[in-house]
Amino acid sequence: RKEVEQDPGPFNVPEGATVAFNCTYSNSASQSFFWYRQDCRKEPKLLMSVYSSGNEDGRFTAQLNRASQYISLLIRDSKLSDSATYLCVVSGDMNYGGSQGNLIFGKGTKLSVKP
Amino acid sequence: NAGVTQTPKFQVLKTGQSMTLQCAQDMNHNSMYWYRQDPGMGLRLIYYSASEGTTDKGEVPNGYNVSRLNKREFSLRLESAAPSQTSVYFCASSGGLGNWGYTFGSGTRLTVV
Repeated sequence: RKEVEQDPGPFNVPEGATVAFNCTYSNSASQSFFWYRQDCRKEPKLLMSVYSSGNEDGRFTAQLNRASQYISLLIRDSKLSDSATYLCVVSGDMNYGGSQGNLIFGKGTKLSVKP
Repeated sequence: NAGVTQTPKFQVLKTGQSMTLQCAQDMNHNSMYWYRQDPGMGLRLIYYSASEGTTDKGEVPNGYNVSRLNKREFSLRLESAAPSQTSVYFCASSGGLGNWGYTFGSGTRLTVV
């Protein structure tokens, strides 16, 4: 089972639509969870952290379900500028690739918002 | 507010050549990382440095070496470049391991011919 799995997409949605991304992770001991955004040919940038109680930042809502090892990101009222790849990120375990607690990145879900 | 600065931004190497990718951060972060990103593979950790004076292997360390020169700087060296090392390389830093978000540099696009 892969460490972090995401639907690669692409998700093609019209402006104003609501879109949801899902992510599952395999390490039940993970403690930290994030969503990153990566624009084409750019570096990943932190979009938001994900907390157990769920958290919202403007049009973006992140949810965490530890029992199901599932993370989600909801984008409401999509804008053209939301077009990017969204990376689900979780902290690894002690034995991951020799690293201790480093972040593990999903391969990303591509979103394209059309006029 | 420079954040994480990587040099060079682009590089073309011939097979067997060596080069060093430079990375510096001005956020007083303890931990630094080198990743490579390939189509369909996502970001893969090459090496990391949890704190000044320490370095450790990540998921794909073969063919690379690193040096944590001081708290600010973390370099990645390819001793004998191979076409399989054609990739986009990102340096990142964070306050510490695991529970901190990373700040990435703008990347180095490396082509080995």
